[in-house]
Amino acid sequence: AQSVTQLGSHVSVSEGALVLLRCNYSSSVPPYLFWYVQYPNQGLQLLLKYTTGATLVKGINGFEAEFKKSETSFHLTKPSAHMSDAAEYFCAVINKNRDDKIIFGKGTRLHILP
Amino acid sequence: DAMVIQNPRYQVTQFGKPVTLSCSQTLNHNVMYWYQQKSSQAPKLLFHYYDKDFNNEADTPDNFQSRRPNTSFCFLDIRSPGLGDAAMYLCATSRDRSSGPYEQYFGPGTRLTVT
Repeated sequence: AQSVTQLGSHVSVSEGALVLLRCNYSSSVPPYLFWYVQYPNQGLQLLLKYTTGATLVKGINGFEAEFKKSETSFHLTKPSAHMSDAAEYFCAVINKNRDDKIIFGKGTRLHILP
Repeated sequence: DAMVIQNPRYQVTQFGKPVTLSCSQTLNHNVMYWYQQKSSQAPKLLFHYYDKDFNNEADTPDNFQSRRPNTSFCFLDIRSPGLGDAAMYLCATSRDRSSGPYEQYFGPGTRLTVT
């Protein structure tokens, strides 16, 4: 069975500091991996995705993530945090050889300290 | 812009009074999903449509029903809302598996309050 684990339900970083949100997955077959961001009272917005090919993927708002098969990880990073990055972040996986369902992690709330 | 639209954004209903939430899409995607999201939790899939083929999650209460009259529209009906049904309801769409990477596109959500 597939699963997604996000380490840390809350992460706080200072404005201008590195953002690192951790995500590990388990899947019996190569997965599709996603990061979504959710601002208060809004839907989820796709930040970036990994499907095949280059393992370092760049997304919107300066975020990027690296797929590491050996570590079953897909951590999200941003070199310099901005106040507007404060939001909930969800890592997700789809088993591309099975159904269309997406499995979400429990989410990490990112707090930006001035 | 192609998008997923949900109406209304905020809905207040009374305990036990049926309520319908609406979703429409201009992406022409053949898969549509309904999620329930409670505070500080991940979205929980209620059901999804693959074209007109309805797929219910095993733990979705019978109180929740859905209709998809055409490709563009999908409705979530809550027959007798309880206080525990207060949540954000998210609609999402995606292309089908055969079309390649099928990330889901989410609407802005409807915040349901039950009084």
